[in-house]
Amino acid sequence: AQSVTQPDIHITVSEGASLELRCNYSYGATPYLFWYVQSPGQGLQLLLKYFSGDTLVQGIKGFEAEFKRSQSSFNLRKPSVHWSDAAEYFCAVGALSKVGSSNTGKLIFGQGTTLQVKP
Amino acid sequence: DGGITQSPKYLFRKEGQNVTLSCEQNLNHDAMYWYRQDPGQGLRLIYYSQIVNDFQKGDIAEGYSVSREKKESFPLTVTSAQKNPTAFYLCASSTIRAEAFFGQGTRLTVV
Repeated sequence: AQSVTQPDIHITVSEGASLELRCNYSYGATPYLFWYVQSPGQGLQLLLKYFSGDTLVQGIKGFEAEFKRSQSSFNLRKPSVHWSDAAEYFCAVGALSKVGSSNTGKLIFGQGTTLQVKP
Repeated sequence: DGGITQSPKYLFRKEGQNVTLSCEQNLNHDAMYWYRQDPGQGLRLIYYSQIVNDFQKGDIAEGYSVSREKKESFPLTVTSAQKNPTAFYLCASSTIRAEAFFGQGTRLTVV
């Protein structure tokens, strides 16, 4: 079955430090990959997406992610974290049909990583 | 402004009562989804619809029902059969490439 794994449930970084959130997926073809951010009591906001092409994608709020097919990873990075980045982050992959050859339009989410930022 | 609108933001349900959560979108997306979010459990798919007048069960459909009579609307009813309905409910719509747009959520509490 397709799955998304975010190995880190909780991460704490100091303000101004760099950040990397890990995401691994199991998939049989070129995946559609996404990172979302959620502040407490709010909906999810799309940070960035990967469909094809350049494996380094830029998103909003200074975030970027790199798709590495050989490692089945799509890690999220930010060079310098701000206190306002404290939130929960979800990695997601577009689900394939049971036949495995077409995108269903649904998303499979990881369990999320909670980011805490120390002053 | 295009987007997803969920209402109400907060909802209280008495034991044995059915309640309906509203979700409306003006993004012209065919696909719409309902997720349930509990602390520490990520997002779980309740129901989804990829076209008007059609919908499918997700991973945790028991105790819930939906309808899709209009492209713009996908209401979720939490029935009395749902024994533990207290949760945060998120509605989304998506493009054919699965790029999803979310509403601001409804927090349902049993009183």
